[in-house]
Amino acid sequence: GENVEQHPSTLSVQEGDSAVIKCTYSDSASNYFPWYKQELGKGPQLIIDIRSNVGEKKDQRIAVTLNKTAKHFSLHITETQPEDSAVYFCAASIQSGSARQLTFGSGTQLTVLP
Amino acid sequence: DGGITQSPKYLFRKEGQNVTLSCEQNLNHDAMYWYRQDPGQGLRLIYYSQIVNDFQKGDIAEGYSVSREKKESFPLTVTSAQKNPTAFYLCASKNRGLDTQYFGPGTRLTVL
Repeated sequence: GENVEQHPSTLSVQEGDSAVIKCTYSDSASNYFPWYKQELGKGPQLIIDIRSNVGEKKDQRIAVTLNKTAKHFSLHITETQPEDSAVYFCAASIQSGSARQLTFGSGTQLTVLP
Repeated sequence: DGGITQSPKYLFRKEGQNVTLSCEQNLNHDAMYWYRQDPGQGLRLIYYSQIVNDFQKGDIAEGYSVSREKKESFPLTVTSAQKNPTAFYLCASKNRGLDTQYFGPGTRLTVL
């Protein structure tokens, strides 16, 4: 099955700096890669996603890059703010028939220091 | 308001008791999912259902059971056979043909 590794497990940055979180996946058939943000005690919320036919996608301060050859993808947050502090999860997904299952990374606790 | 509701937010049970976690969605989504989250770990898939009256096991289905009698409801029962049931349980749903899964607020289960 698919295996997703995520690094680092914790990340502290100064407000205004950039943060980068990296994930690798094992199954070359994976073709959908979402990123979720989870605040304490809440369910994860989708912040950005990318499909395998695209190398980069940007939404305001958030961007995701995908390298299919190397089987890794990264989340970039620029101009970080204290409200960006949360746990971030990457995931990889394979479409099997009409079902799409997500395999998640282990999460990154991002702390933005004021 | 459209969304996914999970109740209760916190649940305490004695060891050896079965417990059922509720998940309801009014998004008219076809597929629903149950995940388990442990501290410092990612989400692991327990069960999922693509249509009413049909469901499949995920990666860690042992000790759990589900039903899907209505499109909007997908309850999860944690049985006494589950060796380590204390965890944060998340329900999700998505529309057929689309990729994005939307999550509920979660239920934290503590077995004493």
